[in-house]
Amino acid sequence: EIVMTQSPATLSVSPGERATLSCRASQSIGSNLAWYQQKPGQAPRLLIYAASARATYIPARFSGSGSGTEFTLTISSLQSEDFAVYYCQQYNNWPLTFGQGTKVEIK
Amino acid sequence: EVQLVESGGDLVQPGRSLRLSCAASGFTFDDYAMHWVRQAPGEGLEWVSGINWDSGNIVYADSVKGRFTISRDNAKNSLYLQMNSLRVEDTALYYCAKKMATTGGYYFDYWGQGTLVTVSS
Repeated sequence: EIVMTQSPATLSVSPGERATLSCRASQSIGSNLAWYQQKPGQAPRLLIYAASARATYIPARFSGSGSGTEFTLTISSLQSEDFAVYYCQQYNNWPLTFGQGTKVEIK
Repeated sequence: EVQLVESGGDLVQPGRSLRLSCAASGFTFDDYAMHWVRQAPGEGLEWVSGINWDSGNIVYADSVKGRFTISRDNAKNSLYLQMNSLRVEDTALYYCAKKMATTGGYYFDYWGQGTLVTVSS
């Protein structure tokens, strides 16, 4: 099983600042990585797939990068609605696995 | 508008069974693979099981293999999860999720709101 490790666990950021979230895979997964956003009481929302492709209706301030084992989600200028938990997910191998999440909170 | 509506969650005792359902609408159901993902209270996401469009390919997480059975009825636009021999650690909010594309990678563009399964004596 591929283990996905996200860091940091919590990121404190002021509105308007940049946020950089990391996700590491225990073995190479190519570009087979997705990112999701989850707000309290809501289902996850797909942000990024194929490591860097934005899903439909996702604002351009969200961007993904990386390949192999190291991946990054960048939110260029945090808006109030962006404070949430973010998960990465690999789909290179079965079973599909998620990272433990990074909570982005208001500083 | 794509909608996924789960049902069937309940409070059950360890060792008992439960069947979850997911009613889909707003897309051509039998074109897409469908999956179940769960989230224990206060925890992260855990993939549970998936089924391709014609039920010809089914996969499970090791944690549920042999106890859970995924199925679908394309005529009814519905996805199911039969859960047997339930354990306390199966307590979670169960989401059904739609694979984004008919081909390619297994990531999910639509999720239901979840149905809560609580396993406790």
